[in-house]
Order: sequence, then structure tokens, then C-alpha cells
Amino acid sequence: EVQLVESGGGLVKPGGSLRLSCAASGFTFSSYSMNWVRQAPGKGLEWVSSISSSDSYIYYADSLKGRFTISRDNAKNSLYLQMNSLRAEDTAVYYCARDDKLLVDYWGQGTLVTVSS
Amino acid sequence: DIQMTQSPSTLSATVGDRVSITCRASQTISSWLAWYQQKPGKAPKLLIYKASSLESGVPSRFSGSGSGTEFTLTISSLQPDDFATYYCQQYNSYPCSFGQGTKLEIK
Repeated sequence: EVQLVESGGGLVKPGGSLRLSCAASGFTFSSYSMNWVRQAPGKGLEWVSSISSSDSYIYYADSLKGRFTISRDNAKNSLYLQMNSLRAEDTAVYYCARDDKLLVDYWGQGTLVTVSS
Repeated sequence: DIQMTQSPSTLSATVGDRVSITCRASQTISSWLAWYQQKPGKAPKLLIYKASSLESGVPSRFSGSGSGTEFTLTISSLQPDDFATYYCQQYNSYPCSFGQGTKLEIK
């Protein structure tokens, strides 16, 4: 069974940093591209970033303007999102998601990031 | 970037109704279109991929159609479990983009 478990969310002040993690199991992690997708409270889904299976290709939403960095450790079956210079508008549930040729087929349960003073 | 537009934003219906949700892409995406269902406090769940292929385990009352720029999700006979928010997503190219969502409410 595919499982994706996010962690690392919490309350952070504007301008602060946070690192999210996603532990994957139930599939060959090193064979799949992975994504972060976020959802602000009461809002829709917003794709954040993708990383290919061997991190040869990395993509970001234009709105992030270089503040976020996606990475992975295939030896640890883990995906990460380093978030810097956080703003109130970054407040959201952040989902880790697997994709198969760009189709997002499995999602984690999400971790809440709240940016507030 | 490809923009996805769903309509309607909200849909009120009754158990047993047949309902349809439309998704339009700002440029052609062939059939690289997925539909997701999301319930409050839960992660999205994949329903349909490649515009019309039903994900394993999804009830057959759900169907998808379309290609190019216009797509439709149809639920043939609404069940109580179907009241949720539905999103389309194009996966033709990066950045992958979602529609704004359609909330299906009980009338």
C-alpha cells in the first residue's frame, strides 16, 4: 500500500524558515517523480514544486520566486521542502504527492504550515 | 502557463440526480486531464485520468469525457458519499495546474 506521511509543519513568524519532510513507503520511491501541492484555508489546490526520480529535473511555481527548495533522498525514501522567507500567504496545508508521468496518483494526508506573528 | 477554468463553482443537487462539471483549458492539453474528489479535512482522491479512464476502485457512476480544451466530469446518479469538492488538473506540461474547484452541495 502506498503511504506518504508529511511532517514538519507548524507555526512560524513571517520571514522565518521551515523544512517539510515526507516519508514514503509501499512503492519504489526512486522510480517516481514527487511533488508538493498546497491548499490555503478554504481555497483550492496549488501545485508548488516537482522533482524527478533522480532529481535531474526540478520545477517550481513562479509564485514562489526562489524562496522554496525541493529535494529528495532516495536512500531514505524521503522528500523535502525547504521554505525560506515565509509570508502570511504561504499559510496552507502542504501535501506530498507521487506522480506517474505527471499524473498525481497518491497524496499524503498533509501538514499545516501557519505563518503568523 | 495553462489556465484551468471549472464551472460551476457550486452545484446544488439531490441524491439520484445526474450532474456534470465542466473544465476548460486555456490551450490544448490533448487528453492529459485528471479529476479529483476532495472531502473536508482530507487529501484529494484521484477519480479519472487521461480524461476518461476510471481509476481502480472508483464507482462506475463517475465518468469523464472530452479532449483538447473542454472536458466534463459526470456523475450518473448522485449518492450521499458524492457530496464533496471536485477539481480538474492538467498534466500535459509543467507547471501542472488545477481548476478552482466545484463544490457539490446537497439541495
